[in-house]
Amino acid sequence: NAGVTQTPKFRILKIGQSMTLQCTQDMNHNYMYWYRQDPGMGLKLIYYSVGAGITDKGEVPNGYNVSRSTTEDFPLRLELAAPSQTSVYFCASSNPGQGYEQYFGPGTRLTVT
Amino acid sequence: KNEVEQSPQNLTAQEGEFITINCSYSVGISALHWLQQHPGGGIVSLFMLSSGKKKHGRLIATINIQEKHSSLHITASHPRDSAVYICAVLFGGSNYKLTFGKGTLLTVNP
Repeated sequence: NAGVTQTPKFRILKIGQSMTLQCTQDMNHNYMYWYRQDPGMGLKLIYYSVGAGITDKGEVPNGYNVSRSTTEDFPLRLELAAPSQTSVYFCASSNPGQGYEQYFGPGTRLTVT
Repeated sequence: KNEVEQSPQNLTAQEGEFITINCSYSVGISALHWLQQHPGGGIVSLFMLSSGKKKHGRLIATINIQEKHSSLHITASHPRDSAVYICAVLFGGSNYKLTFGKGTLLTVNP
């Protein structure tokens, strides 16, 4: 199993541009999550999904959108990128049958200038 | 408010020392996770526990539900243990969402 994969690894955006961060998991997990990690701060939940077709907001959803059309994929869309969205983004997945242990992707480092 | 506090924020040790990192939380939980993140690297789950103690190699995690406190211990520390250690808690009724501490940066010098 590849686990949780994310693309791209790095990206530089100009203010106002848009992009989609891709996340795929091959563990057949129902739950998927998007986090951002800012220096010196804990991980903050952006959006999460408990199954295909179901998404919900986390702590810091403004400026982002998600969709979950399949169990495997959970893309994160940034519209009108702002410098405040400069961060490292992690995708994760879990299943209740495994005690909600979360498996993380390698992260995407995004800079908005 | 559901909060997770870790201490210390930074910890420097000499190779071979016994390390303890602490995590406290505000209200009842379903489970607690310890995660490891190497500099510039991804996040790996070390332990998930809801009671008692777990051991994996040189790492030991304990939790005291009554005191709302968990510790992560590293015995015979090694420079490769240098990383950020993150405590994350699944609060009861949280809908499977973790709340994270800010992490403890551990540096083990040779």
